[in-house]
Amino acid sequence: EAQVTQNPRYLITVTGKKLTVTCSQNMNHEYMSWYRQDPGLGLRQIYYSMNVEVTDKGDVPEGYKVSRKEKRNFPLILESPSPNQTSLYFCASSLARGGEQYFGPGTRLTVT
Amino acid sequence: AQSVTQLDSHVSVSEGTPVLLRCNYSSSYSPSLFWYVQHPNKGLQLLLKYTSAATLVKGINGFEAEFKKSETSFHLTKPSAHMSDAAEYFCVVSESGGFKTIFGAGTRLFVKA
Repeated sequence: EAQVTQNPRYLITVTGKKLTVTCSQNMNHEYMSWYRQDPGLGLRQIYYSMNVEVTDKGDVPEGYKVSRKEKRNFPLILESPSPNQTSLYFCASSLARGGEQYFGPGTRLTVT
Repeated sequence: AQSVTQLDSHVSVSEGTPVLLRCNYSSSYSPSLFWYVQHPNKGLQLLLKYTSAATLVKGINGFEAEFKKSETSFHLTKPSAHMSDAAEYFCVVSESGGFKTIFGAGTRLFVKA
């Protein structure tokens, strides 16, 4: 089944404790993105990747890192999480630039 | 620069009546436009997309949207609402051939019995 998977689905952590949210797609898509969703703001793009080893900042990259060492995986790294990073995070992939995106199920992160 | 404005944060309709969710966009280049739906505690699903072919786009579950360049609008409509349409809807713009994607703030649709 074609899908985007994220782990963990739920995470509660404390300020400053490094964490990684994994994202994997099995559709051989070149393009992948990370978004955060906050009430009243819709989804905002954090980072995107055009291919292996090629990434760029979206609209809200501060406090986040990404890597793309393999085509299928695009982990999101929070080196020192803060409470304002409490949010719902979505990973997405697409076959073409500007094309339909396939979303993962989301990761709900709480930073205390 | 791209931007998306969804003109209503909440829309309430009765079952069987028409649905109109409004979206205006701004884009420097020929945009790709999308509508996605998010049901409670679920991920996002594509409803429909416009990519410079026909200006009237048909999507899943009876939804359609019309691209009006002169008005920079991409409103979503459905002739008859169903209870299962209750969800949050996002209008999205992505510049054709681009990587950045901008979401509107969302419109929550309520359907009354």
